[in-house]
Amino acid sequence: ETGVTQTPRHLVMGMTNKKSLKCEQHLGHNAMYWYKQSAKKPLELMFVYNFKEQTENNSVPSRFSPECPNSSHLFLHLHTLQPEDSALYLCASSQEVGGAGAGELFFGEGSRLTVL
Amino acid sequence: QKEVEQDPGPLSVPEGAIVSLNCTYSNSAFQYFMWYRQYSRKGPELLMYTYSSGNKEDGRFTAQVDKSSKYISLFIRDSQPSDSATYLCAMKRGSQGNLIFGKGTKLSVKP
Repeated sequence: ETGVTQTPRHLVMGMTNKKSLKCEQHLGHNAMYWYKQSAKKPLELMFVYNFKEQTENNSVPSRFSPECPNSSHLFLHLHTLQPEDSALYLCASSQEVGGAGAGELFFGEGSRLTVL
Repeated sequence: QKEVEQDPGPLSVPEGAIVSLNCTYSNSAFQYFMWYRQYSRKGPELLMYTYSSGNKEDGRFTAQVDKSSKYISLFIRDSQPSDSATYLCAMKRGSQGNLIFGKGTKLSVKP
């Protein structure tokens, strides 16, 4: 495996379900991110982790719960979601928080979430 | 006023055309400017970046930053069907800052 991998690629869940998204980076980076991508909207930063410590929570509702057990793995636990939470959830990593200098983020292919 | 404005398109051009993609921004503190390319069903990938003002060229791609006008551009020469993707501009204040993204412009290059 190379780069940033996300599972599952597609997820359909009801509003009362509990599910988790998983992200793994094989790049030796120290920072990991969750972004939300909705149609016709800019990428929204949700959470930032640096050396597995959360450094930013961008006013995300508590029905989204991140977990970062180590610098290579990131989870997003989902519970009692709303239909408006349907979106593409992208995981990214960078060598340092913010991606020092050029700011290159390496993204996974995303998990497409549909909330019924 | 949004920090970063980008016309989502879609933009359709014939193969071989010169493509111009643009973003405007409101925060004069932005110093780092990037263009990410996102193919369908893929994550974004960094295409080009520029620090402060000026031009940068990489093959068929040229990135321009005009800080006086708060305007950045990406030009694609001799566009190819393989350039069909969504192009997202992104920028940030300092080296440790978080990126602020535009909405992305969906480009289609027709053979």
